[in-house]
Amino acid sequence: DGGITQSPKYLFRKEGQNVTLSCEQNLNHDAMYWYRQDPGQGLRLIYYSQIVNDFQKGDIAEGYSVSREKKESFPLTVTSAQKNPTAFYLCASHRKTGLGGNTIYFGEGSWLTVV
Amino acid sequence: AQSVAQPEDQVNVAEGNPLTVKCTYSVSGNPYLFWYVQYPNRGLQFLLKYITGDNLVKGSYGFEAEFNKSQTSFHLKKPSALVSDSALYFCAVRDGYGGATNKLIFGTGTLLAVQP
Repeated sequence: DGGITQSPKYLFRKEGQNVTLSCEQNLNHDAMYWYRQDPGQGLRLIYYSQIVNDFQKGDIAEGYSVSREKKESFPLTVTSAQKNPTAFYLCASHRKTGLGGNTIYFGEGSWLTVV
Repeated sequence: AQSVAQPEDQVNVAEGNPLTVKCTYSVSGNPYLFWYVQYPNRGLQFLLKYITGDNLVKGSYGFEAEFNKSQTSFHLKKPSALVSDSALYFCAVRDGYGGATNKLIFGTGTLLAVQP
């Protein structure tokens, strides 16, 4: 089946550790995104990438890093510099054609908890 | 700058009654408007979108939304609510001025609670 796969679903991080969340899509989408969602709140954009080997900071990029070495993959690293990383992380993607009406599709999300 | 507002944190409705979840937006160019639904511990699921054409857009699960340019609104509606519609609903907008590279901006979400 085509779609966006995020792994792991649940991840526990110790203080001072870096962790990486995986996002893979087989939809042949050009653009990929990472959002953070805190309980009961909306989505905040962390990073996005419109094309391979290029990415831009979103609204809350501090303490996070990404790479886009392949079209289908956009991993997110939560570094020890991120002071409050406990949240639900969502990966998304869409085609980059037309004037902006492209639908963005989401993965099932990953829960990160600091212990 | 583009923005979107969902003025209600929560909407309560009885099963079988019509429901409305409100959304207003602000963009420079033509708006591309979207509605998504999120069930607990899940990703967002696409419901419907407005690009151009008919102001009434029909989507998944019996939902529809009406684009009103003069009121800059895109309210989500359903004629008869189901308990299974209870979820978090997000409105989103992308500014058509600048094309597909523009980011999609999300509202803060509205929790819909349908009572049996």
